[in-house]
Formats: sequence, structure tokens, C-alpha cells
Amino acid sequence: AQKVTQAQTEISVVEKEDVTLDCVYETRDTTYYLFWYKQPPSGELVFLIRRNSFDEQNEISGRYSWNFQKSTSSFNFTITASQVVDSAVYFCAPIINNAGNMLTFGGGTRLMVKP
Amino acid sequence: SQTIHQWPATLVQPVGSPLSLECTVEGTSNPNLYWYRQAAGRGLQLLFYSVGIGQISSEVPQNLSASRPQDRQFILSSKKLLLSDSGFYLCAWRGPDFSYNEQFFGPGTRLTVL
Repeated sequence: AQKVTQAQTEISVVEKEDVTLDCVYETRDTTYYLFWYKQPPSGELVFLIRRNSFDEQNEISGRYSWNFQKSTSSFNFTITASQVVDSAVYFCAPIINNAGNMLTFGGGTRLMVKP
Repeated sequence: SQTIHQWPATLVQPVGSPLSLECTVEGTSNPNLYWYRQAAGRGLQLLFYSVGIGQISSEVPQNLSASRPQDRQFILSSKKLLLSDSGFYLCAWRGPDFSYNEQFFGPGTRLTVL
């Protein structure tokens, strides 16, 4: 069985601060995918990034960056110079190589960025 | 480009009433389709998924059922709603091939059972 832990249930920062959201998962698979989603107050889940287990190169996209460490089963997400619009719930979701490709969502981290 | 629609956006229903939520996808063929539920302040729970017309897999035994009458249509139903059915229902799709694996979500339906 898979398990995804987002230990930080709620984080509050002041605008322009950097913030890192942690994600640790358990899987017996050697091949898998990892995802991050953002859920703003409107409710719709927005896809942010996909990472496969073969590629441990960190990725940066604008103010977003992701640090994937297969050895520690972690896939952390950093927002640099946070903005009020970043306020949302962020979900980490690994997927195993199975029919249906089911995501297993972590409990989510609620990020509040204050002006 | 692909789009996913859900309706209604919000719904208030009495306990014991029936339910029908609809999800449709445009711009793709033979998608995998998913229904999730998110209770207030909690994470997402996968309810059903479908890899093709008439093919439904249930993840959680409950008061709900799903059907896929057409390739790009996914319906979530209940004959008699319970208070515990309240929540935010999200439909998602994924492409049929393995060129990418991410799921894309619809805008959701917020259901309140009174």
C-alpha cells in the first residue's frame, strides 16, 4: 500500500518569504510518478508538475522549484518570494504503475500568504 | 485543447433524495475518468474510475454508483442521499496512452445534504 505524508497541515508566511512544502511517500515500486496539485479557494485542482522516478534532477519553473530525493522518498516543493495569490491548499500525489493510474493524495498543506 | 465540465456547480439536496452529477470531457478520446470526493477540510478520496464505456471500478463501498454511458461522459449517482454524502465532488480525466500520466480536474460540484 502507498502512503503519502504532508506533515505540515498549515503554513502561514508573509508575502515575499520563501516557503517549502514537504512531501514524503512510501512505495515498493521502483518505477513511479509524483505530482503536485494546487487547490485555490475556488476548489478546482490545478496540475503543477509531474516527476518520474528516473529523473532526480531538480526542476525550477519561475518562482516554483521541486526537490526530488528518491533515496529519502521525498518530493518537496518550494515557492520563492511568495505572493498572496499563492494562498491555496497544495497536494502531493504519487502514482504507481497500475491500470487506471490512480493518484494517492496526501492530506494537503494549506498555505496562507499574508500581505 | 481538452476541457472538462461538471454540473451542477452547487447542489443542496434533502436526505433520502436521489443524486445525479455529470462530467463530460471534450477534445480527447477514450480517456480514463475518475470521481473523487473531498469532505470539508480534508483530502481527496477516489470513489470510482473508468477506463472505457461501461467499465467502472469502485474504490470505496458506499451509497454511490457511477456509470459511463458514453466515451466522454461520466455520471455519479445515488438513489438515496445520506448526510455523509455532503462534500466537494471532483471529476478528472487522463489520456489513454502513457505519454503523460497527470490527471486534469474539473471545476467540481459542491453538494450539501440537509
